[in-house]
Amino acid sequence: DGGITQSPKYLFRKEGQNVTLSCEQNLNHDAMYWYRQDPGQGLRLIYYSQIVNDFQKGDIAEGYSVSREKKESFPLTVTSAQKNPTAFYLCASSIVRANYGYTFGSGTRLTVV
Amino acid sequence: KNQVEQSPQSLIILEGKNCTLQCNYTVSPFSNLRWYKQDTGRGPVSLTIMTFSENTKSNGRYTATLDADTKQSSLHITASQLSDSASYICVVSAEQAGTALIFGKGTTLSVSS
Repeated sequence: DGGITQSPKYLFRKEGQNVTLSCEQNLNHDAMYWYRQDPGQGLRLIYYSQIVNDFQKGDIAEGYSVSREKKESFPLTVTSAQKNPTAFYLCASSIVRANYGYTFGSGTRLTVV
Repeated sequence: KNQVEQSPQSLIILEGKNCTLQCNYTVSPFSNLRWYKQDTGRGPVSLTIMTFSENTKSNGRYTATLDADTKQSSLHITASQLSDSASYICVVSAEQAGTALIFGKGTTLSVSS
């Protein structure tokens, strides 16, 4: 079955630690996205990539970094510079033109301990 | 400013009853409008997607309507089931491809027996 796989489902981070969230898709989508979801708020875009080896900052990129070395993979690193990282993180992919085929992963819940 | 407003913020209904969720938007230029269902701790799953020329679309017991003139959409759920308990998110896409998805904050629906 085609889809997007996020791992791990739950992740705990200590103060000052970097952590990396995995996102893999086998939908052959060109574009991939990372969103952050906080209670009572809409999804906010962190980073997106429309092509391999290229990515752009979204609305809340500070304290995060990404890479896009392969079409299938778009990992997100939450750095120690992100002061409030506790949130639900969602990865998505789409066919670039007209935003069709937009599919979400099942999410990773990150908690600072 | 591009915005998507959803109402009500939360809703409680008895199993078997119908309900309607509202979405108003000020996104321009408009490309399409989607409704997603998000179960707690999971990624959003697409229910319907409508373009400018479509004014209604159904997916089982879910029926979405779109009035592009008034920039309003509704999601009607018929004969609700306990499994309908979730957050319902309205998402509007602006005409350019890539990142131009504007997310509403969602309506939390609770169906009780």
